[in-house]
Amino acid sequence: AQSVTQPDIHITVSEGASLELRCNYSYGATPYLFWYVQSPGQGLQLLLKYFSGDTLVQGIKGFEAEFKRSQSSFNLRKPSVHWSDAAEYFCAVGAVDTGRRALTFGSGTRLQVQP
Amino acid sequence: NAGVTQTPKFQVLKTGQSMTLQCAQDMNHEYMSWYRQDPGMGLRLIHYSVGAGITDQGEVPNGYNVSRSTTEDFPLRLLSAAPSQTSVYFCASSPAGDPYNEQFFGPGTRLTVL
Repeated sequence: AQSVTQPDIHITVSEGASLELRCNYSYGATPYLFWYVQSPGQGLQLLLKYFSGDTLVQGIKGFEAEFKRSQSSFNLRKPSVHWSDAAEYFCAVGAVDTGRRALTFGSGTRLQVQP
Repeated sequence: NAGVTQTPKFQVLKTGQSMTLQCAQDMNHEYMSWYRQDPGMGLRLIHYSVGAGITDQGEVPNGYNVSRSTTEDFPLRLLSAAPSQTSVYFCASSPAGDPYNEQFFGPGTRLTVL
């Protein structure tokens, strides 16, 4: 079964600083990989996804993520954080070889942005 | 389009009570699923459906039932609520085709079981 680890429970960055959120996955083949964002009291919104092709994926709101097969990682980055980016971020993996078509989520990283 | 809607937004139950969480989508999506979100644990899949009349269990199905009589609706039933079912519940839907088209999430239902 697949699994996702987000090692950082909580990260604080200053507005304008760069951001990197870590995600490591465990899966036997190349999985579908996703980053979702959840603002307080809201549902989840897809930032970006990867399955194949260019390992650097561009998403919405200026985010990007890089798939590194050798490290089983899919880290999320943003060059300059805005106060509105404060939210919880979830990495997720989807298995290719089952009919379940469901996602396995990491435990999330809460981002706080300091003025 | 309203997208994915969930009712109610908040609910308090007593142990042993039953209730149904409603989920509806107006995007004609084939795939629908229910997740629960608990602090420090991300989202965990409860049940899912790949189309009307077809449902299957996810990671944490015990204590929950689902049915899918129409494409639009996917209700989640708690048969006998327990305090361990206190959580935030999210419904999601996605279209057919690419197995991992974007899943669209509802706003969630916050359930407290006393």
